[in-house]
Amino acid sequence: AQTVTQSQPEMSVQEAETVTLSCTYDTSESDYYLFWYKQPPSRQMILVIRQEAYKQQNATENRFSVNFQKAAKSFSLKISDSQLGDAAMYFCAYRRNDMRFGAGTRLTVKP
Amino acid sequence: DTGVSQDPRHKITKRGQNVTFRCDPISEHNRLYWYRQTLGQGPEFLTYFQNEAQLEKSRLLSDRFSAERPKGSFSTLEIQRTEQGDSAMYLCASSLYSGSGYNEQFFGPGTRLTVL
Repeated sequence: AQTVTQSQPEMSVQEAETVTLSCTYDTSESDYYLFWYKQPPSRQMILVIRQEAYKQQNATENRFSVNFQKAAKSFSLKISDSQLGDAAMYFCAYRRNDMRFGAGTRLTVKP
Repeated sequence: DTGVSQDPRHKITKRGQNVTFRCDPISEHNRLYWYRQTLGQGPEFLTYFQNEAQLEKSRLLSDRFSAERPKGSFSTLEIQRTEQGDSAMYLCASSLYSGSGYNEQFFGPGTRLTVL
């Protein structure tokens, strides 16, 4: 079974600084997708970034980038130049067929 | 706003009552997904449809739960004889699947169910 583990229930970062959120997953498949979703308080979940497992190059979307280590089954999210609007729950997710989510990391951004 | 919408946004019910939630996907999206999210956890997959066909159901979807998408557009999720353990946020998502490759899921705001 595929499982997704986020070992950091809460993280805090100073505005304009960089923070890294961790995620590991378990799978026997070689072809799958990995995602980071952001869920602001009382608002809907939105996709931050995705990574195809067959691609070696790490995905980047503006201030968001990932460190994808396929052999280690690790998929961390780096947020650079953190902004107050980045405060949210962040979920790591794995998809081969259905989507499996981690338990989430609550990110606080301090002004 | 042409995103995924869900109705109601909040529902409070007494144990043993039946409840029904509605999800309207993004127009022309052929896939529709239901998830359940309990406090402090990530969403858990329940079921999904491609057009009107229900293609997969999680074992989390007990026989008290039923989902339909009769015309391949909106979907309903019904919970019969609700239990306190059913209290959760029920999320809907939709995507446009073209037969292969990646299809992004767009999430709705969710329906928060509280069972007293």
